[in-house]
Amino acid sequence: GDSVIQMQGQVTLSENDFLFINCTYSTTGYPTLFWYVQYSGEGPQLLLQVTTANNKGSSRGFEATYDKGTTSFHLQKTSVQEIDSAVYYCAMRSDTNAYKVIFGKGTHLHVLP
Amino acid sequence: ETAVFQTPNYHVTQVGNEVSFNCKQTLGHDTMYWYKQDSKKLLKIMFSYNNKQLIVNETVPRRFSPQSSDKAHLNLRIKSVEPEDSAVYLCASGRQINQDTQYFGPGTRLLVL
Repeated sequence: GDSVIQMQGQVTLSENDFLFINCTYSTTGYPTLFWYVQYSGEGPQLLLQVTTANNKGSSRGFEATYDKGTTSFHLQKTSVQEIDSAVYYCAMRSDTNAYKVIFGKGTHLHVLP
Repeated sequence: ETAVFQTPNYHVTQVGNEVSFNCKQTLGHDTMYWYKQDSKKLLKIMFSYNNKQLIVNETVPRRFSPQSSDKAHLNLRIKSVEPEDSAVYLCASGRQINQDTQYFGPGTRLLVL
């Protein structure tokens, strides 16, 4: 079945460090891929979204490239700030079951001042 | 203000009681969802509604029942709560059932003693 894998449960960085959060997906169909961010006390909100293979999405300094070859959608940011501390979810909607968005387990990012 | 609103913010109850959570969206969307987020921040879809009609009903216990009076409102009732129902319940909406971003409310935190 369709799935989204985020192996990193928690990432701790210092300000201005490089961020890389790993995400891989599995589907027999054509996916739309998302990154959502959830700040403390709030619901998740869309960070970026990519529908077309090999395209890159970007927002607020974050980037992710839909790599069809490696079935990956890793999230990167060159220089994190303390305000980026949040939970980041990789997610997928596949045309094999377009009514459902599948979320990864989430990665807690802690950025130390 | 256009957004997804949830009430209450927080609810404490005892095992066996009935609880109801409300969700309203003022975004003019056709689709609404309920998600359960556990203590480890794992997000699981429970129900999806499109134009007041149930589209997706994941495997949830029968004591959970969604109710939609119109496409802007989706409530969740839990008959006879259990300790494992302690979680954050997130409501979301989207323009169309099989496309587009989901917009989340702030969540209702349920604690079952």
